[in-house]
Amino acid sequence: KAGVTQTPRYLIKTRGQQVTLSCSPISGHRSVSWYQQTPGQGLQFLFEYFSETQRNKGNFPGRFSGRQFSNSRSEMNVSTLELGDSALYLCASSLASGISSYEQYFGPGTRLTVT
Amino acid sequence: GDSVTQMEGPVTLSEEAFLTINCTYTATGYPSLFWYVQYPGEGLQLLLKATKADDKGSNKGFEATYRKETTSFHLEKGSVQVSDSAVYFCALRGETSYDKVIFGPGTSLSVIP
Repeated sequence: KAGVTQTPRYLIKTRGQQVTLSCSPISGHRSVSWYQQTPGQGLQFLFEYFSETQRNKGNFPGRFSGRQFSNSRSEMNVSTLELGDSALYLCASSLASGISSYEQYFGPGTRLTVT
Repeated sequence: GDSVTQMEGPVTLSEEAFLTINCTYTATGYPSLFWYVQYPGEGLQLLLKATKADDKGSNKGFEATYRKETTSFHLEKGSVQVSDSAVYFCALRGETSYDKVIFGPGTSLSVIP
């Protein structure tokens, strides 16, 4: 079974631009979560989608948004990029939402650099 | 709210040494506990998990026991290898935070020959 895939793997953008990252979960998984990983802040939860609905959102500004499609693929968008948005963005999929024992499977991440 | 605390390191060990990475948590009820590993340049991989008190998770020679009385989930390995060099994250998914996984800050491990 294929794992979680994220595209693109690397991205360089300029301040003020916007970016869209894509995530394809493991087949059969309906929950997709997004995390931002930086050396200073560690892993921070962005949001989770389940059945095309946002279930939960972390403490990030409204410039960060996401969506999920009917095939469970998810995209996240960051508008008006800032230098501080440079990070590794990780997507994780899980069979379902609301079940604490269900582990998350992570993709390799998208490395975003904002210049 | 739920939280995870773990030793941040970096930890440097010689090959075949014994490894312990401490992890304690704060959560209501009975969360599920996880250890994830991140190799350089890669995403996180699930290493092991435990879903109830006194459960022992194990994988690739690593073990961790869910201790409800001490709210701990320490990671251990009897003999580390150079290939174990990575960052290890303790995490929980709780009854009140079931929508997301709460991660500790990560512990960097370097194993030298």
